[in-house]
Amino acid sequence: NAGVTQTPKFQVLKTGQSMTLQCAQDMNHNSMYWYRQDPGMGLRLIYYSASEGTTDKGEVPNGYNVSRLNKREFSLRLESAAPSQTSVYFCASTGTVGNTQYFGPGTRLTVL
Amino acid sequence: KNEVEQSPQNLTAQEGEFITINCSYSVGISALHWLQQHPGGGIVSLFMLSSGKKKHGRLIATINIQEKHSSLHITASHPRDSAVYICAVPPPHGGSQGNLIFGKGTKLSVKP
Repeated sequence: NAGVTQTPKFQVLKTGQSMTLQCAQDMNHNSMYWYRQDPGMGLRLIYYSASEGTTDKGEVPNGYNVSRLNKREFSLRLESAAPSQTSVYFCASTGTVGNTQYFGPGTRLTVL
Repeated sequence: KNEVEQSPQNLTAQEGEFITINCSYSVGISALHWLQQHPGGGIVSLFMLSSGKKKHGRLIATINIQEKHSSLHITASHPRDSAVYICAVPPPHGGSQGNLIFGKGTKLSVKP
């Protein structure tokens, strides 16, 4: 099992450009999450999906959209990137709410 | 919102030392998570505990629900233990979505 995979690993964008971060898990988990990690701060929830077909906002959703394409895949889209979105993005999944979360390797995004 | 405070922020130890990292949270919870973030950025779950103590190899995690406090201990520390250790708890009222609130992490460096 690959666990949770994310692509790309690194990305540099110019202000105003758009991109989609991809995440997939092969553990048949219902819940998936997108977090961002910034220096000096804990991981913060951007969006989550409790099950296929549902998505909800987290703590810092502004500037992002998500799609739960199927049970395996949960993508994060930046429509018009801003320098404030420079961060490391992690996707995570869990089979049962409250249980262990499994993280992808992260995407390091720089917006110039 | 559940506030999660970790101490110390940074910790340098000599190989072989006993290490303690502390975590306090503000709102009662069902379970607390300890995670490790490797220097390369990957995040793995170490423990999920709701009471008492758990042990895995040289790592021991304890929790005192009444005092809203948890500790992570590393016995006979080794340079390969160098990482950021992160404490995380569910949001208040359990959090039906299953996401976590993360501390800012404790950066541990173990010198040979």
